[in-house]
Amino acid sequence: AQSVSQHNHHVILSEAASLELGCNYSYGGTVNLFWYVQYPGQHLQLLLKYFSGDPLVKGIKGFEAEFIKSKFSFNLRKPSVQWSDTAEYFCAVSPISGGYNKLIFGAGTRLAVHP
Amino acid sequence: KAGVTQTPRYLIKTRGQQVTLSCSPISGHRSVSWYQQTPGQGLQFLFEYFSETQRNKGNFPGRFSGRQFSNSRSEMNVSTLELGDSALYLCASGAPNTGELFFGEGSRLTVL
Repeated sequence: AQSVSQHNHHVILSEAASLELGCNYSYGGTVNLFWYVQYPGQHLQLLLKYFSGDPLVKGIKGFEAEFIKSKFSFNLRKPSVQWSDTAEYFCAVSPISGGYNKLIFGAGTRLAVHP
Repeated sequence: KAGVTQTPRYLIKTRGQQVTLSCSPISGHRSVSWYQQTPGQGLQFLFEYFSETQRNKGNFPGRFSGRQFSNSRSEMNVSTLELGDSALYLCASGAPNTGELFFGEGSRLTVL
């Protein structure tokens, strides 16, 4: 069965620390990959996506992610976090055969950034 | 432009009842998908509609159904409600040819 695993459920960082959130997926075919973010009291919004090409993708607010096909991973990174990055982050995959809009989400990682 | 609108935002039902939730996508988006979010199971895909046709379906019982109208608005229905159906139901509107989903704020259903 298709699944997405996010390594950390809760992460606490101080401002200016570097961030890396792990994501691995289980699926034998080709997938599109996404990171979504949910800020407190707000709806889910797209942070970045990977369909093909350069495996290092850049998203909004200084976030980037690297797709490593051999490891079935799509880790999210940010060199220096800010208090405003406090949110819940979801990794998601969409099997190509399923179309864009059938997303399989990971359990999410709650990030708390302290000033 | 207006975002994805879901109604109602909150509702309380009792076991055995049924509920209908509504979603208005962003203008021009023809794809609408539905997700269930619970603390225990996380975000799970329910189904997706495109041009009034169900294009994808998740692993939910037949009590969960949906439809899409010619104006792309969508409704989902849950019949014979169970306590475990208590959840946040999210609707997502699909941007053409980008693979990006725009989520609404959700309808929070509580089943007593």
